[in-house]
Amino acid sequence: DVKVTQSSRYLVKRTGEKVFLECVQDMDHENMFWYRQDPGLGLRLIYFSYDVKMKEKGDIPEGYSVSREKKERFSLILESASTNQTSMYLCASSRDQRHYEQFFGPGTRLTVL
Amino acid sequence: QKEVEQDPGPLSVPEGAIVSLNCTYSNSAFQYFMWYRQYSRKGPELLMYTYSSGNKEDGRFTAQVDKSSKYISLFIRDSQPSDSATYLCAITRPGRNDMRFGAGTRLTVKP
Repeated sequence: DVKVTQSSRYLVKRTGEKVFLECVQDMDHENMFWYRQDPGLGLRLIYFSYDVKMKEKGDIPEGYSVSREKKERFSLILESASTNQTSMYLCASSRDQRHYEQFFGPGTRLTVL
Repeated sequence: QKEVEQDPGPLSVPEGAIVSLNCTYSNSAFQYFMWYRQYSRKGPELLMYTYSSGNKEDGRFTAQVDKSSKYISLFIRDSQPSDSATYLCAITRPGRNDMRFGAGTRLTVKP
């Protein structure tokens, strides 16, 4: 079974803080993704990575950055958290460029006060 | 126009009912179709994956794709209270990583 874990289930931060969200997958998947999920808007792709040190912007990258130093780990960074970044953040992974199924972690509910 | 449209519901049915969940998409380039189930406060889990027109069955679940109409469906037979969740359709194109998700339909199955 694919296992994707996220460092925190719930996080509360203050405006202006730097926030790190960590994701680890244990199935040697090449691709990793960060989404945010908001009511009525569904899942929106923030960034994805198809290899170590490689990244591509998704639909809503503004205010976020990512880091992938090791194949199993993909970090999402909010450089200066703002209240409009309060959301559910979901990490996912997929095997490679020919396998489209994505496997999700449990999510991190981030609240920015 | 959104690339994929899904009625958000909510949908409430009695236990044992047949449930039909639907999505439409706008671009015929989409070739791969998935359904995810998401329980409250959890991440989505993959239910069904198909890439061809027609039906794919897995237990009580049937995924149906009509590429000519750009319409995908998920049917749940003999629905159970444990099926109560939000169901998300997801579509993607060959060689692309930017999967598109529907907004999700919230389903409640009442005992």
